[in-house]
Amino acid sequence: NFMLTQPHSVSESPGKTVTISCTRSSGSIASNYVQWYQQRPGSSPTTVIYEDNQRPSGVPDRFSGSIDSSSNSASLTISGLKTEDEADYYCQSYDSSNWVFGGGTKLTVL
Amino acid sequence: QVQLVQSGAEVKKPGASVKVSCKASGYTFTSYDINWVRQATGQGLEWMGWMNPNSGNTGYAQKFQGRVTMTRNTSISTAYMELSSLRSEDTAVYYCAGGGLWGQGTLVTVSS
Repeated sequence: NFMLTQPHSVSESPGKTVTISCTRSSGSIASNYVQWYQQRPGSSPTTVIYEDNQRPSGVPDRFSGSIDSSSNSASLTISGLKTEDEADYYCQSYDSSNWVFGGGTKLTVL
Repeated sequence: QVQLVQSGAEVKKPGASVKVSCKASGYTFTSYDINWVRQATGQGLEWMGWMNPNSGNTGYAQKFQGRVTMTRNTSISTAYMELSSLRSEDTAVYYCAGGGLWGQGTLVTVSS
């Protein structure tokens, strides 16, 4: 069993770039794909990154995902921030067939 | 339209059971596992379990073992999640998710 740890909150100004980290507690981050979900207030989550760095159709290329084995973490980077990007973001990976979620990061765009 | 559509909100008494449905449309229902996730107000996402719509095989989070049952009806492309012995702590929005899609959520309120 492992945990995924995210910062509780991040904030940045419109037009800037922000990176949200997701650190795996044990085992290699590269062992299992990482997904990222965006959840705006009052809405259900939507997938913004799947399989570490793939964007579903319709997700702007301002969103990108990566993994870093040296820090055993995954990252979600959002460039050219817009006020509409303000939301909670969750990383998710797999422990066998079981999903494991990070605690979520609240992104404030101010 | 590719989507997952869930059943409506439920209010249940402690000790009762609830069954939430999740209807897939716009894609082949048996192509992707269906996972169930819940979220209490102001809290994060909590994974409950998965079901393979093709085989019916399931896997449940240890926390819910013995209380949750996930099933499907392939003829109507619908997955179900039943949670029994409800308590107030089970009050949450319940989501189905599969193939990158998420349902709109179903609010389950447990109150005497």
